[in-house]
Amino acid sequence: EAQVTQNPRYLITVTGKKLTVTCSQNMNHEYMSWYRQDPGLGLRQIYYSMNVEVTDKGDVPEGYKVSRKEKRNFPLILESPSPNQTSLYFCASSRFTDYEQYFGPGTRLTVT
Amino acid sequence: DAKTTQPNSMESNEEEPVHLPCNHSTISGTDYIHWYRQLPSQGPEYVIHGLTSNVNNRMASLAIAEDRKSSTLILHRATLRDAAVYYCILSRHQTGANNLFFGTGTRLTVIP
Repeated sequence: EAQVTQNPRYLITVTGKKLTVTCSQNMNHEYMSWYRQDPGLGLRQIYYSMNVEVTDKGDVPEGYKVSRKEKRNFPLILESPSPNQTSLYFCASSRFTDYEQYFGPGTRLTVT
Repeated sequence: DAKTTQPNSMESNEEEPVHLPCNHSTISGTDYIHWYRQLPSQGPEYVIHGLTSNVNNRMASLAIAEDRKSSTLILHRATLRDAAVYYCILSRHQTGANNLFFGTGTRLTVIP
């Protein structure tokens, strides 16, 4: 089944404790991205990647890092999480030339 | 990036057609119009997209005004499963970024 998976689905952590949210897709998509969703603000893009070893900032990249060492994986790294990064995070992927993005199920992160 | 304007919420009776409007008065000639929807507790899913001509697929129809400053997503027979937040998005596809600015969308309530 074609899908985007994210792990973990729920995470509660403390300020400053490094964490990684994994994202994997099995559709051989070139393009992957991370969004965060906050009440009243909709979804905002954090980082995106157009292919392996090619990443770029989205609209709200501060406090986040990403890497794209393999085509299927695009982890989101929070080196020193803060409470303002409490949010619902979505990973998405698509073919570079396609119009349809596929979204993962979301990761709800709480930073206390 | 050009932005879109949508009503915050709409209601429809089950099995009735639904017309979800979107204004995009600053659209440029190369902007594609995308619609995504987000069901409760899920990631967004692609609905339809278009450039100039009206488009139909198994989920919905997209009617684009002749001047492209507005568009309407048409659900031909609303079902309870169509209750979701619907996002109208513009993207310049040739940038290759698939960078979608989601905004806050229209929350559709379907009344049984």
